[in-house]
Amino acid sequence: KQEVTQIPAALSVPEGENLVLNCSFTDSAIYNLQWFRQDPGKGLTSLLLIQSSQREQTSGRLNASLDKSSGRSTLYIAASQPGDSATYLCAGDSGNTPLVFGKGTRLSVIA
Amino acid sequence: SAVISQKPSRDICQRGTSLTIQCQVDSQVTMMFWYRQQPGQSLTLIATANQGSEATYESGFVIDKFPISRPNLTFSTLTVSNMSPEDSSIYLCSVEDRGEQYFGPGTRLTVT
Repeated sequence: KQEVTQIPAALSVPEGENLVLNCSFTDSAIYNLQWFRQDPGKGLTSLLLIQSSQREQTSGRLNASLDKSSGRSTLYIAASQPGDSATYLCAGDSGNTPLVFGKGTRLSVIA
Repeated sequence: SAVISQKPSRDICQRGTSLTIQCQVDSQVTMMFWYRQQPGQSLTLIATANQGSEATYESGFVIDKFPISRPNLTFSTLTVSNMSPEDSSIYLCSVEDRGEQYFGPGTRLTVT
């Protein structure tokens, strides 16, 4: 059964810092990987999707990469801002299987 | 990207009653998904709802407790039946579009 671990569980950084969030899968056979953002009491906002033929995606200050050999993904946030404060979730599937989610990293960016 | 709305956004319900949550998508989609997010936990898939067929439930979830309707390609409902305090969660509707999954704003359910 696929399990997803996100490290760290919580992170507090001063505004302007670059930071890395980590995600690892027990089964490295990941087909699609998605990073989401969740604000308190809200739904999920899709940030980046890495599809089967890809290894990396970038959107603005965000960059996500996936190492399929190890089943590990990282989300890099450049020049963090207080508005980046949220919980970040990674999720992956193995083709025709449902997305499996990690528990998330709760990020606080302090002004 | 798909835009998803859910009703109600939140509710407080008595033990033993049932609540039906509605999910509306702004485009036609083949598969819709229902997730539960218990306090402090990540998302767990309840079931996948395809139009014109029975929903497929994940291990630990049964149709009697979580009946689902999918009358057309833009709408679905999830009913939480015979509720107990353990059903207090956020319930989220989701759709897939070209490999990317999108979520509704969620329904926050509290059972007293």
